[in-house]
Amino acid sequence: DAKTTQPPSMDCAEGRAANLPCNHSTISGNEYVYWYRQIHSQGPQYIIHGLKNNETNEMASLIITEDRKSSTLILPHATLRDTAVYYCIVRTAGANSKLTFGKGITLSVRP
Amino acid sequence: DAMVIQNPRYQVTQFGKPVTLSCSQTLNHNVMYWYQQKSSQAPKLLFHYYDKDFNNEADTPDNFQSRRPNTSFCFLDIRSPGLGDAAMYLCATSRGGVYEQYFGPGTRLTVT
Repeated sequence: DAKTTQPPSMDCAEGRAANLPCNHSTISGNEYVYWYRQIHSQGPQYIIHGLKNNETNEMASLIITEDRKSSTLILPHATLRDTAVYYCIVRTAGANSKLTFGKGITLSVRP
Repeated sequence: DAMVIQNPRYQVTQFGKPVTLSCSQTLNHNVMYWYQQKSSQAPKLLFHYYDKDFNNEADTPDNFQSRRPNTSFCFLDIRSPGLGDAAMYLCATSRGGVYEQYFGPGTRLTVT
């Protein structure tokens, strides 16, 4: 599975959009981009995933560049409860495909 | 309603004393995973079951074993826990393929 690169941390103000970047320059054509987050002392939580097109759900939006070498997770109105480690992961859709977690980015939402 | 349940949430065991952690799911998912997460590190996959097929990660120590007696339950057995095995152990389930994984709350293991 391709590796990802994320900044170690970022912060944003409550109520503002949080834009979390991820580089995956070695991504293959059959690999998806997934985002999970882990709030302190809890299990990781799935947020969103995509292959080529931009995706949106009730939690976030995922913007994937046309060359698929990078993506951005957007939390449109960050709240204090969004403070967490966010993991960007690329993986195939095969039956035994797995999640390989990197270091992630720690998002701190400030009041 | 809880979908992936891990018991106990906290487990203390003695050095070298076998310990079993359990995971159950109400999602009827095909795949169940076990991850180890040490302090300030990312989760690391130990192994997973796709139905009854066991898939071990190459670097998972032999000290770690798993059982899946039925679709709903999966166990992690640590035969002789060492101090370095103290960690959060996370169970996850999935329908497999492109589908997302659902994680349990984890069991925090302390080895004394």
